[in-house]
Amino acid sequence: NAGVTQTPKFQVLKTGQSMTLQCAQDMNHEYMSWYRQDPGMGLRLIHYSVGAGITDQGEVPNGYNVSRSTTEDFPLRLLSAAPSQTSVYFCASNLDRFGETQYFGPGTRLLVL
Amino acid sequence: AQSVAQPEDQVNVAEGNPLTVKCTYSVSGNPYLFWYVQYPNRGLQFLLKYITGDNLVKGSYGFEAEFNKSQTSFHLKKPSALVSDSALYFCAVLGDLNDYKLSFGAGTTVTVRA
Repeated sequence: NAGVTQTPKFQVLKTGQSMTLQCAQDMNHEYMSWYRQDPGMGLRLIHYSVGAGITDQGEVPNGYNVSRSTTEDFPLRLLSAAPSQTSVYFCASNLDRFGETQYFGPGTRLLVL
Repeated sequence: AQSVAQPEDQVNVAEGNPLTVKCTYSVSGNPYLFWYVQYPNRGLQFLLKYITGDNLVKGSYGFEAEFNKSQTSFHLKKPSALVSDSALYFCAVLGDLNDYKLSFGAGTTVTVRA
């Protein structure tokens, strides 16, 4: 198993550009989440999904879209990048609701100029 | 609303000494509490959780945490710290089993000196 994979590892965008951060898992997990990590603020939940076709907003959803067409993939779209979206983005997947079997991807570092 | 607070940005201990990382929480109902560890340039790894039952929870790598409802705390402890325990530690809370939204604390950087 590859676990949770994220691409790209690092990306530089200009303000106003759009892009998609890819996340895939091969563990057949129903639950998947996107977090952003900023210094001194811990991880904040952007969007999450409890199964294919089902998504919901987290704590900081503005400026981001998600879709879940398959169990394996959970892409995160930045519609019009802003400098405030400079962050490290982590995708995670869970076997269950409680997070014990939560697996995190290696992260994507995004810099918006 | 649910939240967690980690009052210490940094904790420094000598190898072999006890390690404590503090966490307090705020939820409207019963809390479901977690500790995660993050090593440099890596994603988070689950350490332990409290859902119900015994207030003392044992987890990975010799860590344990004590749930204290009266003090709304869930401090992480290790009796004898190792240099390899140096990392960033996050406390998290889930306030509602029907709501999947985990709330994380800001994190505590632990440095264990040889």
